[in-house]
Order: sequence, then C-alpha cells, then structure tokens
Amino acid sequence: RKEVEQDPGPFNVPEGATVAFNCTYSNSASQSFFWYRQDCRKEPKLLMSVYSSGNEDGRFTAQLNRASQYISLLIRDSKLSDSATYLCVVNGQAGTALIFGKGTTLSVSS
Amino acid sequence: EPEVTQTPSHQVTQMGQEVILRCVPISNHLYFYWYRQILGQKVEFLVSFYNNEISEKSEIFDDQFSVERPDGSNFTLKIRSTKLEDSAMYFCASGLGGNQPQHFGDGTRLSIL
Repeated sequence: RKEVEQDPGPFNVPEGATVAFNCTYSNSASQSFFWYRQDCRKEPKLLMSVYSSGNEDGRFTAQLNRASQYISLLIRDSKLSDSATYLCVVNGQAGTALIFGKGTTLSVSS
Repeated sequence: EPEVTQTPSHQVTQMGQEVILRCVPISNHLYFYWYRQILGQKVEFLVSFYNNEISEKSEIFDDQFSVERPDGSNFTLKIRSTKLEDSAMYFCASGLGGNQPQHFGDGTRLSIL
C-alpha cells in the first residue's frame, strides 16, 4: 500500500468554482499533516497545516479524519492563481521525514 | 520573511564526478533536510540532520551521499560519484522539529551527463 495516495487529477474548473481534494495515508502513527502547493518546477510551499479539529484559512479549508486516515482540502471561489499541484504530506514513521503524495493538479480557467 | 536559500540553481556534471549542493537554512531552525524530485515524480525524502548528526535517512541515501554542516550557516549535500539516475531537483528544507512544518528552498536542478 502506498504511503500517501492522492487522485492525480487533473481537475479543470472555472473561476469561482469550489473544488475538493482527498488524500489517504497508510501510517496510523503519523502526527503531522500538511497541504503544500507546488508550481511547475518550483519548490513545495506550505499552504496549511491540518489539525484534527479542522482548520480554515480564507478560501481554504482542511479536514483530518484520523480514524479513516483521510485528509481533505476544500478550495472555495477558485482563482486563476490557484492553478498548481496540491501535495498531501504527512510525517513518516520515525517522525522527521515528510512523506509526499504525488499531488493533485488543479487548473482554473477564466 | 526568512527563507531557505540554495546554490547553485542549476548544476551540470559529468557522470562519475563529485558534486556538492549548498543550502543556507532559516537561521533559528534546528532541523535540516534534503529531498529530491525526479522529473514527473513525487518529492522523496533523503536525509534529516539535527544536532550535527543524521537523525533519519532513506534507502536512497546510500554511501554515495553525505551531508555536512561545515559552519554555523551552511548545510551541504555531497554526491561522491554521480550516476545518470541522480539527475533530479534537490530541495533543502529546514524546520523547528516536532509537528512544525518544513520550509523549502527553491532547489538545485542537477543534470548528470
């Protein structure tokens, strides 16, 4: 079983749409969960940490379900600038390494 | 906002040569990391470094690889005898440890000919 699995997409949506990404992880001992975004050939940039209580940052909402080992990201009112690859990331078994999913590609069009 | 810086941005090297990739982590961070991303693939963990020693490494980080913090600011990754399959983007990251996120530099693109 892959450690972090994501639907690769691509998700093609118009501006203003709401889009949701899902992710599952295999290591039940993981304690840290994040969404990063990556633009083409650039470094991963932290979008938000994900907490069990769920958290919101502007148009972005992240949820964590530890029982199901499932993480989600909701983007409301999509902007052209949201076009990127969204990476689901959890910490590994030993605690220090980050384990990345392959990413979900989002393309927002006008 | 403080950031992780990496040099060079692009390195072209002949197979079998040694290469050193350099990173300056964020100054108050205690944990340092190297990751790589082969074109079209996911980001993969190589090694983490804390308190002047390796704290964790992946299967990729074999005897050809080494890391060093030669002074108070730089963190380096050395590949002793490069292979074609070492061609990738190499990202340095730093963080405060625990459940805190890691912050990435903009990467070094390594091309092995």
